[in-house]
This record gives sequence, structure tokens and C-alpha cells, in this order.
Amino acid sequence: ILNVEQSPQSLHVQEGDSTNFTCSFPSSNFYALHWYRWETAKSPEALFVMTLNGDEKKKGRISATLNTKEGYSYLYIKGSQPEDSATYLCAFKGATNKLIFGTGTLLAVQP
Amino acid sequence: NAGVTQTPKFQVLKTGQSMTLQCAQDMNHEYMSWYRQDPGMGLRLIHYSVGAGITDQGEVPNGYNVSRSTTEDFPLRLLSAAPSQTSVYFCASSPPQGGNEQFFGPGTRLTVL
Repeated sequence: ILNVEQSPQSLHVQEGDSTNFTCSFPSSNFYALHWYRWETAKSPEALFVMTLNGDEKKKGRISATLNTKEGYSYLYIKGSQPEDSATYLCAFKGATNKLIFGTGTLLAVQP
Repeated sequence: NAGVTQTPKFQVLKTGQSMTLQCAQDMNHEYMSWYRQDPGMGLRLIHYSVGAGITDQGEVPNGYNVSRSTTEDFPLRLLSAAPSQTSVYFCASSPPQGGNEQFFGPGTRLTVL
């Protein structure tokens, strides 16, 4: 059974704070690591897909890093805004074609 | 492009009834999958398909059947609905390589009484 874990489960920050979350995944048979942003009452939308150890990706104020040898990825949000409030999901793809999701980190940004 | 479409948006079933959740995509994606979303459980993979004629089980396949007769369509069948299948169901598609993001449909909210 593949184990994809995210921490923390939830996070409350003030507008302007910077924050980060962790995704841990199996370090063997790595193929790709995905990050998705999921707003309430909407569908998940992709932020990043990372495939190489040491990958760093950035989209505006959001960035992510990847360490496949030790099996973790960090998602960073710089200067959080209320519109960043959402659940952030990571998903691991290994040697099979299954994309296995973590349970997510729920971020609430207070104005 | 319509992207990934799902029907119905909402459905209420009685225990023991059967139904099919429809999913279609117009992006010529080979990879399609079904997830269910339950509180505190994230998205759990039910079944997936890497192309027409090929399907495989995910993490929680029991009680569900799928088929993939065309690239566009990937229906999910509940053979005999149970209250434990009350959930929100999401269909997703992507090109087959792991380095490609998944595109999600709007979801189907299913309640089994």
C-alpha cells in the first residue's frame, strides 16, 4: 500500500504570512509528484508536476521543491492572501500508473 | 473544449439500486481515472484506465465496475448501491505520462439512503 502523507492537516495564518507544507511519499520507484489546489465547491486544479530530484518550480507566490531520495516535497506560499485559502493536495505516481493522493493540507488565510 | 464533463451533478439512490456515473473528455487523453472524496480521506482512487480497452483497480475498487470502450468515455457503475458509497465522485483525465497534470471534472455528489 502506497503511503502519501501531508502535514499539517490544517493551517490558519494571517494575511501576509509566509507558510509551507510537507508531502512525504515512498522514495522507491518514483515517477512524478503532483501538487493541486482545491477550493471549496470546485474541482482540484494542478499547480505543479515534478519529476526530477532537486526540481524547484514556481508560480507567482507559490513554489515547490522535490527530494526524491528522501521522499518529500515542500510547498511554499509567500505573503499569503485570503484567496490562497484552499486545500492543497499532493499526489505520488510510482512504477504503476496509479496517482495516489495525500489527504491534503487545509489552509485558511485570515484578512 | 469542454474538458472533463460528469453527469449527473447530484444523485440520490436507495440501497440496492444500480446506476452509472458518466464521465467524458474531449482532450484525447489516454489516461482516465475515478476518485471518491470523503471527509478526512482526501481523494481515493477507485479505478483507472491507461487507454481504450484497458482498465485496472485503484485503492478502493470494491462495489464499482468500469469499462473503457472509447478514448472519450469512462463510465463508473455502482452495481448495488450501499450507504458506504455516499460520497463525491470525481473523474479525471491526463496524457499518459507521469509528468502531465490531471484535469478534473466538476464532480458528482451521490447519496445512498
